[in-house]
Amino acid sequence: NAGVMQNPRHLVRRRGQEARLRCSPMKGHSHVYWYRQLPEEGLKFMVYLQKENIIDESGMPKERFSAEFPKEGPSILRIQQVVRGDSAAYFCASSPTALLSNYGYTFGSGTRLTVV
Amino acid sequence: GQQVMQIPQYQHVQEGEDFTTYCNSSTTLSNIQWYKQRPGGHPVFLIQLVKSGEVKKQKRLTFQFGEAKKNSSLHITATQTTDVGTYFCAGRTGTASKLTFGTGTRLQVTL
Repeated sequence: NAGVMQNPRHLVRRRGQEARLRCSPMKGHSHVYWYRQLPEEGLKFMVYLQKENIIDESGMPKERFSAEFPKEGPSILRIQQVVRGDSAAYFCASSPTALLSNYGYTFGSGTRLTVV
Repeated sequence: GQQVMQIPQYQHVQEGEDFTTYCNSSTTLSNIQWYKQRPGGHPVFLIQLVKSGEVKKQKRLTFQFGEAKKNSSLHITATQTTDVGTYFCAGRTGTASKLTFGTGTRLQVTL
């Protein structure tokens, strides 16, 4: 029973390149959330998706960032034309339901993005 | 927008001492969750509180949800080196699904 799988664990990109971060939720979980964590800081909400739908993208920068969760395959967080300020740990979390319940989020191990 | 603050930002204790972190939300919460993140690791869910004034215990950890559902606390009795990490509260408002995480309290425990 695999947990939330994120890859790659570490990603180095030069300024201006594209970064693609992948997240496969836990089996049976249909809700995916992306968070960004800067060094020594808290987790900032970016986007909430269900299969083929973006439910809440209020935390996503308007430019260069996009996310999808296709019918088949993992959720993808895409950052175009990366800048040094994009360097951070990006965590994906999944849950079985969006409604109030006793379920917390299950987080993946994260992708540490470094822009050089 | 909703803000969730935690104090202290950092605490260093000797093993065996108690530790408390406090969480305050700018808005009333429908529920609150607590997570622990070890250095270099990812957040791990600890517990959820839903009812006003609710208190829950997990071994040496005691979690409280305030009467007004705007604040919460986590108390660790007799800390151990395995308690090292950053503790985050995270709250939901209304029926919103997303969690807003607090600023976190980093706990360091030394022998």
